[in-house]
Parts: sequence; structure tokens; C-alpha cells
Amino acid sequence: NAGVTQTPKFQVLKTGQSMTLQCAQDMNHEYMSWYRQDPGMGLRLIHYSVGAGITDQGEVPNGYNVSRSTTEDFPLRLLSAAPSQTSVYFCATRRQGITTGELFFGEGSRLTVL
Amino acid sequence: GDSVTQMEGPVTLSEEAFLTINCTYTATGYPSLFWYVQYPGEGLQLLLKATKADDKGSNKGFEATYRKETTSFHLEKGSVQVSDSAVYFCALKYGNMLTFGGGTRLMVKP
Repeated sequence: NAGVTQTPKFQVLKTGQSMTLQCAQDMNHEYMSWYRQDPGMGLRLIHYSVGAGITDQGEVPNGYNVSRSTTEDFPLRLLSAAPSQTSVYFCATRRQGITTGELFFGEGSRLTVL
Repeated sequence: GDSVTQMEGPVTLSEEAFLTINCTYTATGYPSLFWYVQYPGEGLQLLLKATKADDKGSNKGFEATYRKETTSFHLEKGSVQVSDSAVYFCALKYGNMLTFGGGTRLMVKP
């Protein structure tokens, strides 16, 4: 059982380049989300989805795009990377409709924008 | 908006010492409260949780009590081990949003 799988684990981009971080889950969780982790700032929610075809913005959505065409996948797109997007990105999932549901995290993707 | 404040680290302790990591929150409603732990090179994993006032969450020797009157959810462990070295995050959940504190790094020396 793979759980939450993120790819790539490491990526270096130049300013202005675009890329997609992939997140796949095999737990049949309705809720999927993307966080970024920066030193001293904890994790901040970028975007989330409560099911296929439904997405919403979190705390820091600017510069990022998401879509949810299947239950299993929730890719995060950077359309024009900036140095401020250098961070560690985590995908997290849980069952929807359970108010105290535990979040399950991937291992993270470390992105450096030069 | 909702927010979580944790004590800044790093916290450095000797093995078998008592641990307290402070966490306070502000929220408009009645959130659920969580402690997550992140071991080096890994994603976060749930350590314990509490869903209402006066609930006590516990796991692996760690405990935290949901104190509505002081809006706190402090993490404690009576005797830490080297294997407890990690970053600990306090978080609150209200609706679909999970809000994290800044994290506290714990280093336990043998």
C-alpha cells in the first residue's frame, strides 16, 4: 500500500520556468491538499480539493494552479517559477466528511528556484 | 483568522528528561486540536489529537490536554528518548482548514 506518493523528490528550476509536482494516493480519500513548508512558518495551505472536479484556494494560492480530474491525482502547477517559491511541498489527504480526520502526508518535494 | 503559536526551538534535552512544548491557539469556533511529528526526511504524521474541551490525547508516551479556558494544547512527555528527536507541529482544524504552528525542533542527547 503506497499511501501518498509525491514526485519528484527534488527539483531545481530557473526563474520563469514552469513545472508540475505530482501527487497520487491509493487510499480512496476524497480530500487532497498541497502545503508548503518554510523555516519558522510551519506549513501553509496552498490549494485543496474535496473531490474530483472541485478545488479551492488555501492561505497562499498565488502563483500555483491545481486541478482534480480523478480521485487519485492532484497535481500542483507552477506556471512561472519565482525564487519565493523555493520551499518544501507536501501533499496531504484524508477522508472527507469526518470532522476530526487525520491527514496523511507524502514525503515531500524539495523545490529550489534560482 | 484562526492561528496557532508554538514555542520556538530548538529544544535540547538529555535522555529521560521531561518534555513540555507549549502551544496556544486562537479560533472563532470550537476546533479540533492535533500534534503532528516530522522525523528527518519524512512527511508529517499524526501523533495525537483531541476533539473537544478537556479531552486528553495520548500516544507513544506523549500527552496533551485541550484547555478551552487557556486556549492551549501543550505537549508533554515524562521521559524522552533519543528516538523522539524530530520537529513537532501543533495544529487546529475547523471545517476544511488545518492550520499549523511554526514547528518546534526537539533534540535529545544520550
